[in-house]
Amino acid sequence: GAGVSQSPSNKVTEKGKDVELRCDPISGHTALYWYRQSLGQGLEFLIYFQGNSAPDKSGLPSDRFSAERTGGSVSTLTIQRTQQEDSAVYLCASSSRRGPYEQYFGPGTRLTVT
Amino acid sequence: GENVEQHPSTLSVQEGDSAVIKCTYSDSASNYFPWYKQELGKRPQLIIDIRSNVGEKKDQRIAVTLNKTAKHFSLHITETQPEDSAVYFCAASVNDMRFGAGTRLTVKP
Repeated sequence: GAGVSQSPSNKVTEKGKDVELRCDPISGHTALYWYRQSLGQGLEFLIYFQGNSAPDKSGLPSDRFSAERTGGSVSTLTIQRTQQEDSAVYLCASSSRRGPYEQYFGPGTRLTVT
Repeated sequence: GENVEQHPSTLSVQEGDSAVIKCTYSDSASNYFPWYKQELGKRPQLIIDIRSNVGEKKDQRIAVTLNKTAKHFSLHITETQPEDSAVYFCAASVNDMRFGAGTRLTVKP
């Protein structure tokens, strides 16, 4: 079946603008994760959704970052008033069951803030 | 929250040699420990995982060991090949997943 998809694949924006990044998880996957990967760096946890439970937002770096997941499926990560340090690849992953299981990653969105 | 440390940050080996990457974690409640491989420009992909009720798991040339008492786990790659060159990430999970900083492995032909 189809894997995790993300859009757009690349986004260039001016400093101060808002951006929305979209993630379509694998159908039926209840868990959804967002990560940020700066160039040559590791995977920085941002936020975790599990079913209808309140999301774990503990990784969001500032209040300019927010995410929602509608209908338990598609998720949108929003970055307001973008800064140059927000430039990175934003990866989404989904997992099939409650509790820790293999995560399937999307191709990522490369965000460049000029 | 969980904190995962990974060493070394870079590792260079000769083809055919073994490679070992080590990780430690802080949250004793973590019960799932996957390893992901990320090739340049690609998404991370799971190569092996282990759960806290198992001490060792092997899949062909790769193996993972877990020491829950010491809160550390390791990835072992034997008979390395140039195509093993990539960045490897360890992770620890209770429900969310926290990743180590990654190890860039280079296998020289």
